[in-house]
Amino acid sequence: EIVLTQSPGTLSLSPGERATLSCRASQSVSSSYLAWYQHRPGQAPRLLIYGTSNRATGVPDRFSGSGSGTDFTLTISRLEPEDFVVYYCQQYGGSPGTFGQGTKVEIK
Amino acid sequence: QLVESGGGLVQPGGSLRLSCATSGFNFDNYAMTWVRQAPGKGLEWVSVISGGSGTIYYADSVKGRFTISRDNSENTVFLQMNSLRVGDTAVYYCAKGRQYRPHTSFDYWGQGIRVIVSS
Repeated sequence: EIVLTQSPGTLSLSPGERATLSCRASQSVSSSYLAWYQHRPGQAPRLLIYGTSNRATGVPDRFSGSGSGTDFTLTISRLEPEDFVVYYCQQYGGSPGTFGQGTKVEIK
Repeated sequence: QLVESGGGLVQPGGSLRLSCATSGFNFDNYAMTWVRQAPGKGLEWVSVISGGSGTIYYADSVKGRFTISRDNSENTVFLQMNSLRVGDTAVYYCAKGRQYRPHTSFDYWGQGIRVIVSS
Protein backbone atom coordinates (compact mmCIF):
# COMPACT_ATOMS: atom_id res chain seq x y z
CA GLU A 1 0.00 0.00 0.00
CA ILE A 2 1.30 3.44 -0.91
CA VAL A 3 1.41 5.75 2.12
CA LEU A 4 0.96 9.48 1.53
CA THR A 5 2.38 11.90 4.09
CA GLN A 6 1.16 15.48 3.99
CA SER A 7 3.02 18.42 5.49
CA PRO A 8 2.62 20.54 7.37
CA GLY A 9 -0.25 19.22 9.45
CA THR A 10 -1.47 22.77 9.99
CA LEU A 11 -0.56 25.86 7.97
CA SER A 12 -1.23 29.25 9.57
CA LEU A 13 -1.47 32.06 7.03
CA SER A 14 -3.33 35.29 6.37
CA PRO A 15 -5.80 36.02 3.56
CA GLY A 16 -3.94 37.06 0.44
CA GLU A 17 -0.86 35.00 1.26
CA ARG A 18 0.45 32.06 -0.75
CA ALA A 19 -0.05 28.53 0.58
CA THR A 20 2.18 25.61 -0.33
CA LEU A 21 1.01 22.14 0.72
CA SER A 22 3.19 19.08 0.34
CA CYS A 23 2.31 15.43 -0.28
CA ARG A 24 5.06 12.80 -0.20
CA ALA A 25 4.50 9.19 -1.28
CA SER A 26 6.23 6.11 0.16
CA GLN A 27 6.86 4.94 -3.40
CA SER A 28 6.67 6.49 -6.82
CA VAL A 29 3.21 7.52 -8.02
CA SER A 30 2.45 8.10 -11.67
CA SER A 31 1.64 11.77 -12.15
CA SER A 32 -1.57 10.65 -13.83
CA TYR A 33 -2.85 9.29 -10.54
CA LEU A 34 -2.49 12.07 -7.96
CA ALA A 35 -5.40 14.26 -6.87
CA TRP A 36 -6.14 16.97 -4.33
CA TYR A 37 -9.43 17.54 -2.52
CA GLN A 38 -10.80 20.33 -0.36
CA HIS A 39 -13.00 19.35 2.58
CA ARG A 40 -15.11 21.68 4.65
CA PRO A 41 -16.54 20.33 7.93
CA GLY A 42 -19.98 18.81 7.42
CA GLN A 43 -19.80 19.02 3.65
CA ALA A 44 -18.87 16.71 0.81
CA PRO A 45 -15.24 16.72 -0.27
CA ARG A 46 -14.52 18.69 -3.44
CA LEU A 47 -12.13 17.60 -6.16
CA LEU A 48 -9.65 20.40 -6.89
CA ILE A 49 -6.86 18.81 -8.92
CA TYR A 50 -6.52 15.50 -10.78
CA GLY A 51 -3.61 14.03 -12.68
CA THR A 52 -1.24 16.15 -10.55
CA SER A 53 -1.90 19.45 -12.30
CA ASN A 54 -5.34 19.49 -13.95
CA ARG A 55 -7.95 21.71 -12.33
CA ALA A 56 -11.38 20.18 -11.94
CA THR A 57 -14.44 21.89 -13.37
CA GLY A 58 -15.17 25.21 -11.71
CA VAL A 59 -11.99 25.36 -9.63
CA PRO A 60 -10.47 28.86 -9.49
CA ASP A 61 -7.07 29.31 -11.12
CA ARG A 62 -5.50 30.34 -7.81
CA PHE A 63 -5.29 26.58 -7.16
CA SER A 64 -2.47 24.75 -8.93
CA GLY A 65 -0.78 21.38 -8.60
CA SER A 66 2.67 20.14 -9.49
CA GLY A 67 5.14 17.39 -8.81
CA SER A 68 6.29 13.96 -9.87
CA GLY A 69 7.60 10.68 -8.52
CA THR A 70 7.15 10.85 -4.76
CA ASP A 71 6.79 14.61 -4.20
CA PHE A 72 3.69 16.60 -5.06
CA THR A 73 2.54 20.12 -4.20
CA LEU A 74 -0.73 22.02 -4.06
CA THR A 75 -0.30 25.78 -4.28
CA ILE A 76 -2.94 28.37 -3.49
CA SER A 77 -1.57 31.60 -4.93
CA ARG A 78 -3.64 34.06 -2.87
CA LEU A 79 -5.73 32.74 -0.03
CA GLU A 80 -9.38 33.75 0.03
CA PRO A 81 -11.43 33.49 3.26
CA GLU A 82 -13.22 30.37 1.99
CA ASP A 83 -9.90 28.56 1.46
CA PHE A 84 -9.25 28.09 5.18
CA VAL A 85 -10.28 24.44 5.41
CA VAL A 86 -8.67 20.99 5.14
CA TYR A 87 -6.92 19.60 2.05
CA TYR A 88 -6.16 15.96 1.18
CA CYS A 89 -3.99 14.41 -1.46
CA GLN A 90 -5.00 11.05 -2.92
CA GLN A 91 -3.22 8.52 -5.09
CA TYR A 92 -5.36 6.27 -7.25
CA GLY A 93 -2.77 4.32 -9.18
CA GLY A 94 -2.43 1.63 -6.55
CA SER A 95 -5.07 -0.79 -5.42
CA PRO A 96 -6.15 0.24 -2.93
CA GLY A 97 -5.96 3.96 -3.49
CA THR A 98 -5.00 6.00 -0.44
CA PHE A 99 -5.41 9.48 1.04
CA GLY A 100 -2.91 11.56 2.94
CA GLN A 101 -3.78 12.51 6.49
CA GLY A 102 -4.71 16.07 5.52
CA THR A 103 -3.37 19.62 5.92
CA LYS A 104 -5.49 22.18 7.72
CA VAL A 105 -5.08 25.75 6.48
CA GLU A 106 -6.03 28.12 9.27
CA ILE A 107 -6.22 31.86 9.61
CA LYS A 108 -3.19 33.34 11.31
CA GLN B 1 -26.75 14.22 -7.55
CA LEU B 2 -25.74 11.48 -5.13
CA VAL B 3 -27.84 10.62 -2.08
CA GLU B 4 -26.74 8.09 0.51
CA SER B 5 -29.11 6.15 2.75
CA GLY B 6 -29.11 3.16 5.07
CA GLY B 7 -26.90 4.41 7.85
CA GLY B 8 -27.62 4.34 11.55
CA LEU B 9 -26.73 2.72 14.85
CA VAL B 10 -25.74 -0.95 14.89
CA GLN B 11 -24.16 -3.22 17.47
CA PRO B 12 -20.68 -4.68 16.98
CA GLY B 13 -20.89 -7.76 14.80
CA GLY B 14 -24.00 -6.47 13.07
CA SER B 15 -24.68 -5.56 9.45
CA LEU B 16 -25.82 -2.56 7.47
CA ARG B 17 -26.39 -1.94 3.80
CA LEU B 18 -25.67 1.52 2.47
CA SER B 19 -27.21 2.75 -0.76
CA CYS B 20 -26.24 5.67 -2.96
CA ALA B 21 -28.87 6.75 -5.46
CA THR B 22 -27.56 8.87 -8.31
CA SER B 23 -28.96 11.04 -11.07
CA GLY B 24 -27.79 13.49 -13.68
CA PHE B 25 -25.13 11.42 -15.43
CA ASN B 26 -24.73 8.17 -17.39
CA PHE B 27 -24.21 5.99 -14.34
CA ASP B 28 -22.83 2.90 -16.05
CA ASN B 29 -20.04 4.91 -17.70
CA TYR B 30 -18.32 5.71 -14.40
CA ALA B 31 -16.62 4.00 -11.51
CA MET B 32 -18.12 4.56 -8.08
CA THR B 33 -16.46 4.58 -4.69
CA TRP B 34 -17.11 4.69 -0.96
CA VAL B 35 -14.90 6.81 1.28
CA ARG B 36 -15.30 7.24 5.03
CA GLN B 37 -14.27 9.68 7.73
CA ALA B 38 -14.11 8.50 11.32
CA PRO B 39 -14.70 11.09 14.06
CA GLY B 40 -11.72 13.41 14.29
CA LYS B 41 -9.87 11.58 11.52
CA GLY B 42 -9.10 12.12 7.86
CA LEU B 43 -10.59 10.58 4.75
CA GLU B 44 -10.16 6.84 4.28
CA TRP B 45 -10.87 5.19 0.96
CA VAL B 46 -13.02 2.05 1.47
CA SER B 47 -13.86 0.46 -1.86
CA VAL B 48 -14.24 1.16 -5.58
CA ILE B 49 -16.14 -0.55 -8.40
CA SER B 50 -15.68 -0.04 -12.12
CA GLY B 51 -18.53 1.04 -14.39
CA GLY B 52 -19.41 -2.50 -15.42
CA SER B 53 -18.64 -4.09 -12.03
CA GLY B 54 -15.78 -6.05 -13.58
CA THR B 55 -13.10 -4.63 -11.28
CA ILE B 56 -13.48 -4.12 -7.55
CA TYR B 57 -10.97 -3.11 -4.90
CA TYR B 58 -11.20 -2.92 -1.11
CA ALA B 59 -9.11 -1.34 1.59
CA ASP B 60 -7.37 -3.95 3.72
CA SER B 61 -9.33 -2.73 6.75
CA VAL B 62 -12.66 -3.87 5.27
CA LYS B 63 -11.64 -6.74 2.99
CA GLY B 64 -13.71 -9.84 3.65
CA ARG B 65 -16.34 -7.90 5.60
CA PHE B 66 -17.64 -5.28 3.15
CA THR B 67 -19.01 -5.87 -0.36
CA ILE B 68 -19.53 -3.16 -2.94
CA SER B 69 -22.00 -3.64 -5.78
CA ARG B 70 -24.00 -1.60 -8.23
CA ASP B 71 -27.28 -1.80 -10.10
CA ASN B 72 -26.83 0.07 -13.35
CA SER B 73 -30.53 -0.22 -14.14
CA GLU B 74 -31.32 1.68 -10.94
CA ASN B 75 -28.29 4.05 -11.03
CA THR B 76 -27.43 2.96 -7.51
CA VAL B 77 -24.29 1.73 -5.77
CA PHE B 78 -24.36 -0.29 -2.56
CA LEU B 79 -22.04 -1.11 0.31
CA GLN B 80 -22.93 -4.22 2.29
CA MET B 81 -21.17 -4.03 5.63
CA ASN B 82 -20.96 -7.20 7.75
CA SER B 83 -19.16 -8.02 10.99
CA LEU B 84 -19.11 -4.36 11.87
CA ARG B 85 -16.60 -3.11 14.40
CA VAL B 86 -16.47 -0.04 16.61
CA GLY B 87 -13.67 1.19 14.37
CA ASP B 88 -16.07 1.29 11.40
CA THR B 89 -17.91 4.20 12.99
CA ALA B 90 -17.69 7.03 10.47
CA VAL B 91 -19.46 9.22 7.97
CA TYR B 92 -19.58 7.27 4.73
CA TYR B 93 -19.49 9.13 1.42
CA CYS B 94 -20.23 7.77 -2.02
CA ALA B 95 -18.57 9.46 -4.96
CA LYS B 96 -18.55 9.30 -8.74
CA GLY B 97 -15.36 8.53 -10.61
CA ARG B 98 -14.17 10.64 -13.49
CA GLN B 99 -13.71 7.51 -15.59
CA TYR B 100 -15.11 4.01 -16.13
CA ARG B 101 -12.09 2.25 -14.66
CA PRO B 102 -11.45 2.23 -10.89
CA HIS B 103 -8.07 4.00 -11.07
CA THR B 104 -9.63 7.45 -11.12
CA SER B 105 -10.24 10.53 -9.06
CA PHE B 106 -13.74 11.37 -7.85
CA ASP B 107 -15.52 14.49 -8.99
CA TYR B 108 -18.97 14.38 -7.42
CA TRP B 109 -19.73 13.35 -3.86
CA GLY B 110 -22.76 12.73 -1.72
CA GLN B 111 -23.31 14.58 1.55
CA GLY B 112 -22.45 11.50 3.57
CA ILE B 113 -24.32 9.13 5.88
CA ARG B 114 -23.43 8.41 9.47
CA VAL B 115 -22.75 4.87 10.68
CA ILE B 116 -22.32 4.30 14.40
CA VAL B 117 -21.17 0.93 15.67
CA SER B 118 -21.72 0.72 19.41
CA SER B 119 -23.15 -1.55 22.06
